[in-house]
Amino acid sequence: DAGVTQSPTHLIKTRGQQVTLRCSPKSGHDTVSWYQQALGQGPQFIFQYYEEEERQRGNFPDRFSGHQFPNYSSELNVNALLLGDSALYLCASSARDRAREQYFGPGTRLTVT
Amino acid sequence: AQKVTQAQTEISVVEKEDVTLDCVYETRDTTYYLFWYKQPPSGELVFLIRRNSFDEQNEISGRYSWNFQKSTSSFNFTITASQVVDSAVYFCALSEGNYGQNFVFGPGTRLSVLP
Repeated sequence: DAGVTQSPTHLIKTRGQQVTLRCSPKSGHDTVSWYQQALGQGPQFIFQYYEEEERQRGNFPDRFSGHQFPNYSSELNVNALLLGDSALYLCASSARDRAREQYFGPGTRLTVT
Repeated sequence: AQKVTQAQTEISVVEKEDVTLDCVYETRDTTYYLFWYKQPPSGELVFLIRRNSFDEQNEISGRYSWNFQKSTSSFNFTITASQVVDSAVYFCALSEGNYGQNFVFGPGTRLSVLP
């Protein structure tokens, strides 16, 4: 049973560029949440997707957007990258009726230069 | 607003010592959940425990134990007879409401267990 997978593992982008990160949830899960973890800090909630809709959003600007596909996989898009967007981006999946049992992926390390 | 505080930034112990990681939370909800996660150098968050606000029973799992006290809004984590493999960053987290959409994490405590 595959757990949560994320791609790519590492990514280097330049200020002003756009980036897309991908997440495949654990088998049987239909809900995907995204978190940003800056170096030395705890993860911060970006948003959660359920039934292809954004269900809740944290305190992040509109430059951060997402999408969920019919197979429950998800993408996180960040436009107009800033140096401060450099972080580990974590994806977590859960089942609709067990939303608090969040399983985390290994993350994508984004570096903005 | 919900908030999680982990006052200990870094802790170093020698193998076989006991160590307690502190977690203090703030919430206005009566229904909430508390969690501990471990993050080894690989980066993946590993779930350790979940406790809901109506269950104040302490829990023990092998060398791990958790002390939940609503009166002091604390959910502390103790590792008994620490091992080098316990070295990691540990996060306490809080989830409010009915659907668990939003986990709020503390800043983490980096634990180093020295041989």
